[in-house]
Amino acid sequence: DAGITQSPRHKVTETGTPVTLRCHQTENHRYMYWYRQDPGHGLRLIHYSYGVKDTDKGEVSDGYSVSRSKTEDFLLTLESATSSQTSVYFCAISESVVNTEAFFGQGTRLTVV
Amino acid sequence: AQSVTQLGSHVSVSEGALVLLRCNYSSSVPPYLFWYVQYPNQGLQLLLKYTSAATLVKGINGFEAEFKKSETSFHLTKPSAHMSDAAEYFCAVRGGDNFNKFYFGSGTKLNVKP
Repeated sequence: DAGITQSPRHKVTETGTPVTLRCHQTENHRYMYWYRQDPGHGLRLIHYSYGVKDTDKGEVSDGYSVSRSKTEDFLLTLESATSSQTSVYFCAISESVVNTEAFFGQGTRLTVV
Repeated sequence: AQSVTQLGSHVSVSEGALVLLRCNYSSSVPPYLFWYVQYPNQGLQLLLKYTSAATLVKGINGFEAEFKKSETSFHLTKPSAHMSDAAEYFCAVRGGDNFNKFYFGSGTKLNVKP
């Protein structure tokens, strides 16, 4: 299995509070991704990174920010959590553009109450 | 942006029957194509991938998929379903407008009846 660790695995937080999810990889892969998974929507891309300090938005980036100061860590921050951000969040990594798949972490279940 | 369409959010087959899960993508430029499987409370695992070599791709657990450029399709099949195949399956595309991104379909839940 690819070395990807998401933390925390479960979190309950209150509306309006900031929340940070962490993704840590030991594979030295260039690309890192944050997705959210909701029933009927599959996986939707929030943000991704194509190198240290290089990030870009995905399709559902509003209300989220990311940072990547080291190759191995990719942080997702919910600036002010809302109930609509209750979801399962997955981190994924990929080595390069050509010929390579994404490897996924085990997910973080976030509940905003 | 790329779009990925999986026909049928739920598919039910009998054990031993053919499994066919459909996937169509929108890109006019052939992308990289993938099928993933997700078991409850787990992350996604790669079943197989198409990367412009053979159009018929074999994956793990007896699954295979055929890339058809003219139909912009990448359907997943397995000749004989097993109870352990019950899971959710996602088709994914890398490329089209942006090869940095992976785009996922909405998923198909496969139920296998004894």
